[in-house]
Amino acid sequence: GQNIDQPTEMTATEGAIVQINCTYQTSGFNGLFWYQQHAGEAPTFLSYNVLDGLEEKGRFSSFLSRSKGYSYLLLKELQMKDSASYLCAAMDSNYQLIWGAGTKLIIKP
Amino acid sequence: GAVVSQHPSRVICKSGTSVKIECRSLDFQATTMFWYRQFPKKSLMLMATSNEGSKATYEQGVEKDKFLINHASLTLSTLTVTSAHPEDSSFYICSAGTGGDRISPLHFGNGTRLTVT
Repeated sequence: GQNIDQPTEMTATEGAIVQINCTYQTSGFNGLFWYQQHAGEAPTFLSYNVLDGLEEKGRFSSFLSRSKGYSYLLLKELQMKDSASYLCAAMDSNYQLIWGAGTKLIIKP
Repeated sequence: GAVVSQHPSRVICKSGTSVKIECRSLDFQATTMFWYRQFPKKSLMLMATSNEGSKATYEQGVEKDKFLINHASLTLSTLTVTSAHPEDSSFYICSAGTGGDRISPLHFGNGTRLTVT
């Protein structure tokens, strides 16, 4: 079956770096998305990876290893406003998104 | 960037009534729209995929007669929760894609918090 695994919750300190991991199993693969979702709001797009390697976008970077079925989202210089849930979603061969349950990131001063 | 507007943001209704939720793409044409439901601390659950001018494709376990979807134009899709019951209380989110690029990121509406009393 198709499956996405990511930690339920993580805690980090303001100004620090945190890495949120995601492993996936899908029927075919057309890329891996990361979304940010603040409580009570809809998700917003952060990144898309389809090739192996690291994509950097400001304070956020996303990494993909297709052979390992693994991705991570790296957040640097954490700010309080980064407190949110981070959703990992893999796109299968039918272009359907398979969503993870999200990782709730708590930032402490 | 692409903007998706969802209305209303919150609605409270009595059991047995119907509620309509609108999802509009404001600055692009959305050939495909997706309707999700999200329970607290859970991930998004895809309910159905609607394509402009054709019938929606419902996910397994989703009652199509209860959750009516209409995608009458390239900028508007509606979800009607018919004969709502308390168990239908949830956060409903729509998203849209242009369809021209099947791998394009989804643009989400701000969601509708439905409470059925």
